[in-house]
Amino acid sequence: NAGVTQTPKFQVLKTGQSMTLQCAQDMNHNSMYWYRQDPGMGLRLIYYSASEGTTDKGEVPNGYNVSRLNKREFSLRLESAAPSQTSVYFCASSDSGDRGTPHNQPQHFGDGTRLSIL
Amino acid sequence: DAKTTQPPSMDCAEGRAANLPCNHSTISGNEYVYWYRQIHSQGPQYIIHGLKNNETNEMASLIITEDRKSSTLILPHATLRDTAVYYCIVRPRMDSSYKLIFGSGTRLLVRP
Repeated sequence: NAGVTQTPKFQVLKTGQSMTLQCAQDMNHNSMYWYRQDPGMGLRLIYYSASEGTTDKGEVPNGYNVSRLNKREFSLRLESAAPSQTSVYFCASSDSGDRGTPHNQPQHFGDGTRLSIL
Repeated sequence: DAKTTQPPSMDCAEGRAANLPCNHSTISGNEYVYWYRQIHSQGPQYIIHGLKNNETNEMASLIITEDRKSSTLILPHATLRDTAVYYCIVRPRMDSSYKLIFGSGTRLLVRP
């Protein structure tokens, strides 16, 4: 069972470069999420997609864009990387709960992408 | 969201039960208690969640006090692979923000 798969696992970029982090889930979940985790700060939500065709901003969306390519895939793009975006990025997915909302459903996480920006 | 309080670290012997406490004294009636863990260099892993009844699954048991102000996660037979940071999270049933708020958690060390 693959669950949530993230690629790449590691990446080093120079300031100003762009890149896309890929995420795919094979659990037929409707909702997908992107978080970043920094030392001493816990996980912070960047963007989420409640269902295929929709995306919404989370707590820290500035400097990022997302695409919900289909039900399985949710990508995160850094258009012009900055050193402040050095972090570990986690993708997660969850099923729909009562009345089609994912609010009370557990989220399942990938193993992360470790991104360093010089 | 209600806040949670967990001890920063605990340890237990391999094969013994690990009992991880969590205080959530300001929890409201529509809020669930979730437990996740994060093993070093891996993504957070969902363990269990509950509202007011005790819950058990293949990974753990969750005991919630009658007044719902605290809970205990029980790993019945801890193994070395259970060494991780464990997070207790309180989350409204209808959480429009969709985000999980991870506090600082409890760092569990399972000793051989």
